[in-house]
Amino acid sequence: AQKITQTQPGMFVQEKEAVTLDCTYDTSDPSYGLFWYKQPSSGEMIFLIYQGSYDQQNATEGRYSLNFQKARKSANLVISASQLGDSAMYFCAMREGEAGKLIFGQGTTLQVKP
Amino acid sequence: DADVTQTPRNRITKTGKRIMLECSQTKGHDRMYWYRQDPGLGLRLIYYSFDVKDINKGEISDGYSVSRQAQAKFSLSLESAIPNQTALYFCATSDTGRTHEQFFGPGTRLTVL
Repeated sequence: AQKITQTQPGMFVQEKEAVTLDCTYDTSDPSYGLFWYKQPSSGEMIFLIYQGSYDQQNATEGRYSLNFQKARKSANLVISASQLGDSAMYFCAMREGEAGKLIFGQGTTLQVKP
Repeated sequence: DADVTQTPRNRITKTGKRIMLECSQTKGHDRMYWYRQDPGLGLRLIYYSFDVKDINKGEISDGYSVSRQAQAKFSLSLESAIPNQTALYFCATSDTGRTHEQFFGPGTRLTVL
């Protein structure tokens, strides 16, 4: 069974608008972590934001916020005030327990229109 | 200087050749990983190592082997390359802090003809 699901292969957003990228996960481990990474066309993986399963508040990092709904097992990334430089592939990933290794979703390609 | 480096950055090789991809890190992390990225499939774990004496298979280890020569170095080998091993390969490291955040190298683009 898929442990990380990103159902949006591609998304478009107008510059300066907000956009939500969906991610659902499946785990029976009570301790886990959720990550979002950005991969621009140049190929590198850029860490954006982290949410721990025991964190009481939703994570925020500048224009990035994570809408964490534990009961629904969803960890959607919200990008506010989109910029042209936000055009990239975005990956959701999960760490189960303390093992360190990550399980990745298939990614969502975001294109920001001027 | 980059904290996680990979060599080579690009490589074209032929079916049946042995090839080694190298990863070095200056972050002082014990944990290192090798991932493979294929279009539409995200990243998948090949091997991981929690210290020099600890090597573990990941989701897709068949056809690959690894060597952890030192805390800072983790190499991935393809003993006999085949075309479906054409992919983008990433090395990563992580600490054991609160998040276990992974830090990725720039990637190696491998093409097997």
